[in-house]
Amino acid sequence: ILNVEQSPQSLHVQEGDSTNFTCSFPSSNFYALHWYRWETAKSPEALFVMTLNGDEKKKGRISATLNTKEGYSYLYIKGSQPEDSATYLCVFTSGTYKYIFGTGTRLKVLA
Amino acid sequence: EAQVTQNPRYLITVTGKKLTVTCSQNMNHEYMSWYRQDPGLGLRQIYYSMNVEVTDKGDVPEGYKVSRKEKRNFPLILESPSPNQTSLYFCASSFRLAGLTTDTQYFGPGTRLTVL
Repeated sequence: ILNVEQSPQSLHVQEGDSTNFTCSFPSSNFYALHWYRWETAKSPEALFVMTLNGDEKKKGRISATLNTKEGYSYLYIKGSQPEDSATYLCVFTSGTYKYIFGTGTRLKVLA
Repeated sequence: EAQVTQNPRYLITVTGKKLTVTCSQNMNHEYMSWYRQDPGLGLRQIYYSMNVEVTDKGDVPEGYKVSRKEKRNFPLILESPSPNQTSLYFCASSFRLAGLTTDTQYFGPGTRLTVL
């Protein structure tokens, strides 16, 4: 059974702090890793899709790295703002028709 | 506007009363999928469809049926709902088949179902 784990489950940070969280996934049969941002009462929205070992992606203050050999990805948020408060999901695909979701990291940024 | 729509958004029903949750996308996507979200668990895939008339089971298909008669629609059918199917349901679509593409999925707004 393929398992995707995210840590921490939740965290609170002060506005202006930088933060990061982890997604662990199977290192074998890797095809792609997706990051989604999911605000309360809305639908998940895509942030990044990463495919190559060593990949780094950036969107504004949010960036992500990928290590496929050891099976992890980090998501970084620089200078967190209250509007960054959301659940961040990582999703693994292995070359089958299925997406395997992590349980998410719930971020709360305090003003 | 490119979107995935689901109806209804909220539904309270009773055990055994058949229901259908509709899902429609206007992006000409081949791949569509249904997920359920339960507290403490990641989104779990119920069924997916690679194209018209092609569907397959996800990780938690028991108690659900789907059909894909048209490319844009992918309804989820609960023939005899039970309380353990109380959950938040999401429909999603992407341009091509998962695992053969890096295309991301677009999600509908969710349907909160309560089965009494």
